[in-house]
Amino acid sequence: NAGVTQTPKFQVLKTGQSMTLQCAQDMNHEYMSWYRQDPGMGLRLIHYSVGAGITDQGEVPNGYNVSRSTTEDFPLRLLSAAPSQTSVYFCASSYSTGQLNSPLHFGNGTRLTVT
Amino acid sequence: AQSVTQLDSQVPVFEEAPVELRCNYSSSVSVYLFWYVQYPNQGLQLLLKYLSGSTLVESINGFEAEFNKSQTSFHLRKPSVHISDTAEYFCAVSRYSSASKIIFGSGTRLSIRP
Repeated sequence: NAGVTQTPKFQVLKTGQSMTLQCAQDMNHEYMSWYRQDPGMGLRLIHYSVGAGITDQGEVPNGYNVSRSTTEDFPLRLLSAAPSQTSVYFCASSYSTGQLNSPLHFGNGTRLTVT
Repeated sequence: AQSVTQLDSQVPVFEEAPVELRCNYSSSVSVYLFWYVQYPNQGLQLLLKYLSGSTLVESINGFEAEFNKSQTSFHLRKPSVHISDTAEYFCAVSRYSSASKIIFGSGTRLSIRP
């Protein structure tokens, strides 16, 4: 059982470039989300989805887009990369619609550097 | 608004020594509390959680945390640590029963010395 798979593991972008971080889960989880992890700041929620076709903004959504066309996939798009988006990005999923009796399952992260 | 504070960014301890990782939260209403662990080069994993009921919750690998409402704390303890416990530990809190409302602390890096 693969769980939550994120690709790529590492990425270097130049300012202004765009790219998509991929996230896939094989647990039939309804809830999926994206976090960024910065030193001394813990994890901050970027966007989340409670099911296919439904997305919503988290705490720090600016500069990022998401879509949820299937239950399995939840890609995160950086439209025009900025150095402030240098971070480690985690995708997480949860059974049902993210109710707290179901734990979050995290991928292993994507380390992004924007120069 | 709710917030969570982890008072120590790093905690070094010797193997087989006890450890306490501190977590305090601020909220005027009832909350749900969590500890997540992040091993090197991995994503976070749920260690334990308090949703309701007994204020003392335990994990399968010997950690425990006690919800103290009067002190608004949820400290994580283990009586004897192992090298394999080396990781970063995140306390998290939510006022609402939805994963999208979880607020994570800034993390405590636990390093174990042999």
